[in-house]
Amino acid sequence: EIVLTQSPGTLSLSPGERGTLSCRASQSVSSSYLAWYQQKPGQAPRLFIYAASSRVTGIPDRFNGSGSGTDFSLTISRLEPEDFAVYYCQQYGSAPLTFGGGTKVEIK
Amino acid sequence: QVTLKESGPALVKATQTLTLTCTVSGFSLSSSGTRVNWIRQPPSKALEWLARIDWDDDKFYSTSLRTRLTISKDTSKNQVVLTMTNMDPVDTATYYCARDIVGPTAIDSWGQGALVTVSS
Repeated sequence: EIVLTQSPGTLSLSPGERGTLSCRASQSVSSSYLAWYQQKPGQAPRLFIYAASSRVTGIPDRFNGSGSGTDFSLTISRLEPEDFAVYYCQQYGSAPLTFGGGTKVEIK
Repeated sequence: QVTLKESGPALVKATQTLTLTCTVSGFSLSSSGTRVNWIRQPPSKALEWLARIDWDDDKFYSTSLRTRLTISKDTSKNQVVLTMTNMDPVDTATYYCARDIVGPTAIDSWGQGALVTVSS
């Protein structure tokens, strides 16, 4: 089973700042099948990035995913008020699928 | 339009068996490449993947929970069912069903979630 470790646990930033979230896998993620989800309170997660770097249609281009193998990251270039939320990475290249523990992006 | 909706008891007692149903629309459970997952989230905690059933009836389970979980589907009813035995208060969580398709696109559609509370 692939264990995903996200860091930091909480990221305190101001609107307009740049944020980088990390996701490290315990073993290589097959085919770079690594996704990023955004979740806001009381809502289901929403897919933002798939296959490590592909943005879902409608997701702003300030969100960029990168990485391969065991190290992945999500960068938000200029934080907007609606971006403050919890972000989860997930690997879906091999079963069992697994999620990271999440990074909360909060307003500083 | 793809939709998924979870249903089941909001409250169960410890040691009981939980049965949750996911009713889908906008796609067929028998369409090649279609997969339905169950994922849960305890209050204020992280997401945890539980199980998946594929269009060809392949089934996959969480390593830590596999002895307690059973996933099945009824294609004619457009439903996927998850049972979890020997419930405990630590199993209190919102349970989601969610769809993905074989390939790179990940889990792209989620149900609204169903909160299940386990009483001792």
